[in-house]
Amino acid sequence: DTAVSQTPKYLVTQMGNDKSIKCEQNLGHDTMYWYKQDSKKFLKIMFSYNNKELIINETVPNRFSPKSPDKAHLNLHINSLELGDSAVYFCASSQDLRGEQYFGPGTRLTVT
Amino acid sequence: QKEVEQNSGPLSVPEGAIASLNCTYSDRGSQSFFWYRQYSGKSPELIMSIYSNGDKEDGRFTAQLNKASQYVSLLIRDSQPSDSATYLCAVNPGGYNKLIFGAGTRLAVHP
Repeated sequence: DTAVSQTPKYLVTQMGNDKSIKCEQNLGHDTMYWYKQDSKKFLKIMFSYNNKELIINETVPNRFSPKSPDKAHLNLHINSLELGDSAVYFCASSQDLRGEQYFGPGTRLTVT
Repeated sequence: QKEVEQNSGPLSVPEGAIASLNCTYSDRGSQSFFWYRQYSGKSPELIMSIYSNGDKEDGRFTAQLNKASQYVSLLIRDSQPSDSATYLCAVNPGGYNKLIFGAGTRLAVHP
């Protein structure tokens, strides 16, 4: 069974659209994260949630809104997509706020 | 100044040799350190974590940490072509497990 899963794997959309990416972990972890990896392969944290509570909110445009319905799920909704949002978005989870982080397979978002 | 610095490479080593990957970080209060391997088009995969000064060995991998020098390294013994990937150094500066990643070092192991 996949430990951290994301859907969809690929997402191609036009500028101005709204889209969501879903993440689920079956590891029983308390903490989940969203990272963005840009075209230069630089990986940067966006958000983290611990037991459904927002813990880290980096300098991210407020067009990005995470939601955690329960501690096994963390979704990312993006409004008014822009060309610069094109990237690979990775979900990750850890046992708690100190544990090792395990990454999902990623969602490649392409905005045209 | 970048918070976590790595040589982008590529680092080319022959099969069977030792590959040495290096990373420096700027935040002296950093508490935990991680090495991830990322194959092209795939997600980062955790290889090693290290929390205290010294060496930590796991199979062919050895992580080394020197907090006084703000330096962490990864040694890969008996390198195999399947080790060819980008190796990401990640540092947790403390607090809420916010990992700061380096840009990665591309390793190429040639037969």
